[in-house]
Amino acid sequence: SAVISQKPSRDICQRGTSLTIQCQVDSQVTMMFWYRQQPGQSLTLIATANQGSEATYESGFVIDKFPISRPNLTFSTLTVSNMSPEDSSIYLCSATAGGQIGVYGYTFGSGTRLTVV
Amino acid sequence: SQQGEEDPQALSIQEGENATMNCSYKTSINNLQWYRQNSGRGLVHLILIRSNEREKHSGRLRVTLDTSKKSSSLLITASRAADTASYFCATVSNSGNTPLVFGKGTRLSVIA
Repeated sequence: SAVISQKPSRDICQRGTSLTIQCQVDSQVTMMFWYRQQPGQSLTLIATANQGSEATYESGFVIDKFPISRPNLTFSTLTVSNMSPEDSSIYLCSATAGGQIGVYGYTFGSGTRLTVV
Repeated sequence: SQQGEEDPQALSIQEGENATMNCSYKTSINNLQWYRQNSGRGLVHLILIRSNEREKHSGRLRVTLDTSKKSSSLLITASRAADTASYFCATVSNSGNTPLVFGKGTRLSVIA
């Protein structure tokens, strides 16, 4: 199954600034997904990132706040813009090669723990 | 949005005991997966069960699926302190490239 390198692993940021999180996959994957996990909570899907097209955002998430890039089949970034303390969460990327989910499930990056002060 | 509920929300057991976690979901699914998360880090895929399967085993893990009740259970036998983690069920509504929809998770503590 694919392996995802996610960075940074953690960061403490000032409110009003932006942070870009990167995910590099060691193989080409069809779909990449970005999730937010608020403290003590489960994962909530932010958006689905397709290569060559705009990301598809879930209800409650907008492109201006969470711009996403997917320049090729192995890389994606999520930017958390104009941050406030409410954005303090763990952000995770995930990927699937589509046909392989029957055996390996979805692969996740190790997460970015963001604290906004 | 979350697919459904998991219970219990937290479970504390002694090493060597079995741990059972339950998951319910709301929509029709292609498959259901269980993941483990240690200390708020990345998720590790444990096991996948398809909608036409009723039970599956992998090592000390046993998962069941009841599509009529839209529920699943994960059993960890002979638990170890290293099993301490949060466990999430997640569903896939269609085969292929749709995102996982997660349950709320169970926090398992195994006491040595």
